[in-house]
Amino acid sequence: AQSVTQPDIHITVSEGASLELRCNYSYGATPYLFWYVQSPGQGLQLLLKYFSGDTLVQGIKGFEAEFKRSQSSFNLRKPSVHWSDAAEYFCAVGDSFGGNEKLTFGTGTRLTIIP
Amino acid sequence: DGGITQSPKYLFRKEGQNVTLSCEQNLNHDAMYWYRQDPGQGLRLIYYSQIVNDFQKGDIAEGYSVSREKKESFPLTVTSAQKNPTAFYLCASTPRAAGAEAFFGQGTRLTVV
Repeated sequence: AQSVTQPDIHITVSEGASLELRCNYSYGATPYLFWYVQSPGQGLQLLLKYFSGDTLVQGIKGFEAEFKRSQSSFNLRKPSVHWSDAAEYFCAVGDSFGGNEKLTFGTGTRLTIIP
Repeated sequence: DGGITQSPKYLFRKEGQNVTLSCEQNLNHDAMYWYRQDPGQGLRLIYYSQIVNDFQKGDIAEGYSVSREKKESFPLTVTSAQKNPTAFYLCASTPRAAGAEAFFGQGTRLTVV
């Protein structure tokens, strides 16, 4: 069965500093991989996704992620964080069923931004 | 605007009672999902459905039930058999396409009192 590991429960970063959130996955075939962001008490919003092609994918809000098959990783990065980036971030792997995608999520990383 | 609507936003239940959470989508998506979110545990899949009148158990289906009588609607009932129902519940939907993005509702916070 597929699984996702986000080893960092909580990360604190200064505003303007760079950010990297780690994600490792376990999946038998070429995975569909996603990063979602959640503000407190809200639903999830897609930041970016990978399913084929270029291993460096660009997303919204200045985020990017790199797929590394050899390391089973899909780390999320941002060159310079803004206070509005404070949220919880979830990595997910998709499992296709009948043409749809069933997502398995990691446990999330909570990002705190300090001035 | 298209989207997913969950109601209510907050729900309080007495122990021993069943309660139903509503999820409606107007995105014309085939598949719908229910996830449970607890602090430090991420999102765990309760039930999912890819077509009307058909649904499958997810990883933590015990104590929950669902129905899919209409494409737009996928209500979740939390039964008295669910031993620890206090959580944040999220409904999602996806179109029929490989690698498609899941769209989420704003969630329902259920508290047992």
